[in-house]
Amino acid sequence: SQTIHQWPATLVQPVGSPLSLECTVEGTSNPNLYWYRQAAGRGLQLLFYSVGIGQISSEVPQNLSASRPQDRQFILSSKKLLLSDSGFYLCAWGALAGAPTDTQYFGPGTRLTVL
Amino acid sequence: AQKITQTQPGMFVQEKEAVTLDCTYDTSDPSYGLFWYKQPSSGEMIFLIYQGSYDQQNATEGRYSLNFQKARKSANLVISASQLGDSAMYFCAMRERQDSNYQLIWGAGTKLIIKP
Repeated sequence: SQTIHQWPATLVQPVGSPLSLECTVEGTSNPNLYWYRQAAGRGLQLLFYSVGIGQISSEVPQNLSASRPQDRQFILSSKKLLLSDSGFYLCAWGALAGAPTDTQYFGPGTRLTVL
Repeated sequence: AQKITQTQPGMFVQEKEAVTLDCTYDTSDPSYGLFWYKQPSSGEMIFLIYQGSYDQQNATEGRYSLNFQKARKSANLVISASQLGDSAMYFCAMRERQDSNYQLIWGAGTKLIIKP
């Protein structure tokens, strides 16, 4: 069965510091991978998605970036965090990018607080 | 304009009663998918149920069913015989084509609290 991991689970960082969040998927090949952010009490906002190694699509212009160095690894980064980057970051995987039926499955999330 | 609308920010329901969580959507694409997810206080987003736009029958998964009314563009989640463990945030989402891909669009969520 497929499993998705995220770390760290929680992170407190000062403004201006760098960020690296990691997501890995087990039990599937060539998944579509997604990074979402959820502000407190709100729905999910899609940040990035990837259909393959080195292929990243950005949905929202911001100071965040994403990379996919391996098939089942997805990394969210920032060179300098802003206060507005605080939130709950969720990684998800899906099997079919080009179909309305694709279900996305989520990792446990990383709670980021920028002070 | 909102693509996914969940009009109930919060609900209190007595244990063992049935619950209906509302969701309306807006799309001009004839091919789309509708999803419900549960998010307990731990934060993990748990997939519950899916309904395709061409599906003739309402989706069911155990105690969860989706009341799909295509003409009204509504996809309400029904939870039968609610349990204390059903207390959580519930999100409705729609998958529709955007450019060359399909993306999930999320509602704001409904906070469900089950009372003993």
